[in-house]
Amino acid sequence: AQSVAQPEDQVNVAEGNPLTVKCTYSVSGNPYLFWYVQYPNRGLQFLLKYITGDNLVKGSYGFEAEFNKSQTSFHLKKPSALVSDSALYFCAVRDILRETSYDKVIFGPGTSLSVIP
Amino acid sequence: KAGVTQTPRYLIKTRGQQVTLSCSPISGHRSVSWYQQTPGQGLQFLFEYFSETQRNKGNFPGRFSGRQFSNSRSEMNVSTLELGDSALYLCASSSTSGFRTSTDTQYFGPGTRLTVL
Repeated sequence: AQSVAQPEDQVNVAEGNPLTVKCTYSVSGNPYLFWYVQYPNRGLQFLLKYITGDNLVKGSYGFEAEFNKSQTSFHLKKPSALVSDSALYFCAVRDILRETSYDKVIFGPGTSLSVIP
Repeated sequence: KAGVTQTPRYLIKTRGQQVTLSCSPISGHRSVSWYQQTPGQGLQFLFEYFSETQRNKGNFPGRFSGRQFSNSRSEMNVSTLELGDSALYLCASSSTSGFRTSTDTQYFGPGTRLTVL
């Protein structure tokens, strides 16, 4: 069965340090992978996605993520964390199942990131 | 340009009633996707419409339905409301079907907060 795991409910990092938010997945077909961020009282925003091609994907606000097919992971990274990066981060996968009409879209449970000044 | 708008922003209904939520995408966007967010189940994909056709569907009962109009505005309807339908309903727009190209970006509305009593 398809699934998305974000093994850490909470990640704390000091401002200026690199940050990583982890995501692993299980799919039946080919995956499209996404990261979203939800700031308090600001709704959900798209950060980046992997569709095909280069395994390293760059997105908004200096974030990037690396698709690792062998480890079925898509970890979100940023070289230098800002206090304003504190938010809830969601990983999602779209399982492209060519033999069916519908793709399965699954979200991870979310990881709360706190950047400490 | 104007962002994704959702109306109403807040709604209170009682069990057994039905509700219709509206989403207006960014001008020029033909794809609208709907999501449900609850504390217990997290983020879940409901369905996606592109050019007035349902292109993808999540695992929700038939009480949840949607449609898209020729101007790309979309409505979501929930019939026979249950307490568990209380949630934040989010819609997002993008220019391509399935949000499948590397360059396409998805934009979210502020959501409709539905409370079922």
